[in-house]
This record gives sequence, C-alpha cells and structure tokens, in this order.
Amino acid sequence: GENVEQHPSTLSVQEGDSAVIKCTYSDSASNYFPWYKQELGKGPQLIIDIRSNVGEKKDQRIAVTLNKTAKHFSLHITETQPEDSAVYFCAALTVNTDKLIFGTGTRLQVFP
Amino acid sequence: DAMVIQNPRYQVTQFGKPVTLSCSQTLNHNVMYWYQQKSSQAPKLLFHYYDKDFNNEADTPDNFQSRRPNTSFCFLDIRSPGLGDAAMYLCATSRQTSGGTDTQYFGPGTRLTVL
Repeated sequence: GENVEQHPSTLSVQEGDSAVIKCTYSDSASNYFPWYKQELGKGPQLIIDIRSNVGEKKDQRIAVTLNKTAKHFSLHITETQPEDSAVYFCAALTVNTDKLIFGTGTRLQVFP
Repeated sequence: DAMVIQNPRYQVTQFGKPVTLSCSQTLNHNVMYWYQQKSSQAPKLLFHYYDKDFNNEADTPDNFQSRRPNTSFCFLDIRSPGLGDAAMYLCATSRQTSGGTDTQYFGPGTRLTVL
C-alpha cells in the first residue's frame, strides 16, 4: 500500500543552526504534501504545505522542497529556536483514497 | 477564530465503561476525521465522514463507533474501552474539492486514560 518514509527519527541541533527532515512517498499519484508540527500533549499543527505543481515553497524560516521525479520532499528550518522543538510529521495525500498517509515523525530538539 | 474544538481534553474511564468524545468545528468543512494516536507514533485514521456519508477503515475495531448529527459536530463512541484503547484521539476537518480533499486541520486532541 501507500507508504511515506521519514528520516531522521530524531534530530538535535544547536540554536541558530538549520534542520532538515526528509520524506519519501510511494504513490506517484500523490499531489499534496503537508508538514505538521506537534508539541507535547497537543494536536498536529499545519506549518507549511506544497502541491505537486510547485517545486519549492517558503514561509519565513521554513521551506519545503518537492522532487516529484524522485518522489521525495524535505522540510528546511533555518535559524532554529528552542521553541521549534517538537515532533514533525510529513504526510502525502493519496488522490485515489483522499487519505493522508503520515510519515513516522521526527523529534527535533533545539538546544540553547 | 474558526477552529476545531475537542471536548474534553482529558478523559478517564474504567475498563469496559462506554465513553464518548466530542468534536466541533466552525470551519464549515464537510469532511471530518477521527484519528487515534499512541505515544511516539503517527496518527492512525479510524474513520471519516463526507457530510453524512460514513467511511470506516478496514482495521478499525467494531468497538469504535461514530456519529455526525450535523455539519459542525462529530462524536467518537468507544463502547467497551480496553487498556489498549488508551491514546490521544484527534479530530480533523477538511474541505472536499472537485479534485478530492483539501488541507486537514486538527483539533487539540482528547487524551483518554483507561483504568
């Protein structure tokens, strides 16, 4: 079935450094790729998304890139801050089923 | 602000005692989802509604039921909670488009404890 792989599972960076999280999807028909940030005890919060007709999207310190040929997409956070510490999930929307397929999550820790 | 609201935020129940979790939304989205999320795992879809059209996932236990009396509200009923049902339950909504469904917005979740 459809699958989204996410790496790394944990990521520790120093405040001010950049963080990159990578995901690979299996369904070539997927056309929508959101990223969610989940803080402890809270629901996932959409932080950025990208559609298959775009290769890159940026919102302040956060950017997402998409390579449709390779079927992978990445989240880039620059100038990380301690409040960026959370679990980040990538996801892919499978067009045929209208379901979000989630990656396994990345726990990001930003040390002051 | 338009949002997805879940009540209660924390629910404690006893083994086998039925429990109902509530979700409401002010986004006027026609699609509503219920997910189960266990510690350190991704959310797992239980079922979803397109308007009143109920769609169950093949591996969702019969113990889990849902009701959607109107566009704004959706309920998750756990008929006989077991210890393995302790988890965070997330409600999400999205808009149905001509090409499928759009962005999913999640509520804050209800943390269920089973004693």
